[in-house]
Amino acid sequence: NAGVTQTPKFQVLKTGQSMTLQCAQDMNHEYMSWYRQDPGMGLRLIHYSVGAGITDQGEVPNGYNVSRSTTEDFPLRLLSAAPSQTSVYFCASSYPHATVREQFFGPGTRLTVL
Amino acid sequence: GQQLNQSPQSMFIQEGEDVSMNCTSSSIFNTWLWYKQEPGEGPVLLIALYKAGELTSNGRLTAQFGITRKDSFLNISASIPSDVGIYFCAGQLSNDMRFGAGTRLTVKP
Repeated sequence: NAGVTQTPKFQVLKTGQSMTLQCAQDMNHEYMSWYRQDPGMGLRLIHYSVGAGITDQGEVPNGYNVSRSTTEDFPLRLLSAAPSQTSVYFCASSYPHATVREQFFGPGTRLTVL
Repeated sequence: GQQLNQSPQSMFIQEGEDVSMNCTSSSIFNTWLWYKQEPGEGPVLLIALYKAGELTSNGRLTAQFGITRKDSFLNISASIPSDVGIYFCAGQLSNDMRFGAGTRLTVKP
């Protein structure tokens, strides 16, 4: 298994540009999520999905869109990038369970918005 | 929203020493987790705690889920150079997960 994969690894955007961060997992996990990591702030949940066709907002959803058309893929879209979105983005997946959320994280995408 | 306070922010220790770090919250969680992150990689799960009062070990690591469900600690015994990294606590309630800001551990040989 490849686990959780993310592309690209690095990206530089200009303010106002749009792009999609890709995330895929081959573990048949139903739960997938996106986090951003900023210095000194830990990881903050952006959006999550409990299964294909179902998405919901996390702690910091503004400026980001997601969709979940398949179990394997969970892309994160920035429609109009802003410098405040400069961060490292992590995708994660896990089996859903009443009390268990042992997430597997991808290697991250480092995004810079100029 | 729930905020997790993780301390200390950083630690510089000698190889062989024991390490202790903790996380507190103003809200309760159903699950506490501890992750380790190395440079350029995503966090890797170390220990998951599911019940208040639970004490769980994973090799030299021991973690506890506080009785009030608002705190957790992680101990590392007999540290070694490969323990270097950033350690994060995370609390989960339903589908929401919150992370602490991390404890950066440096181990001097």
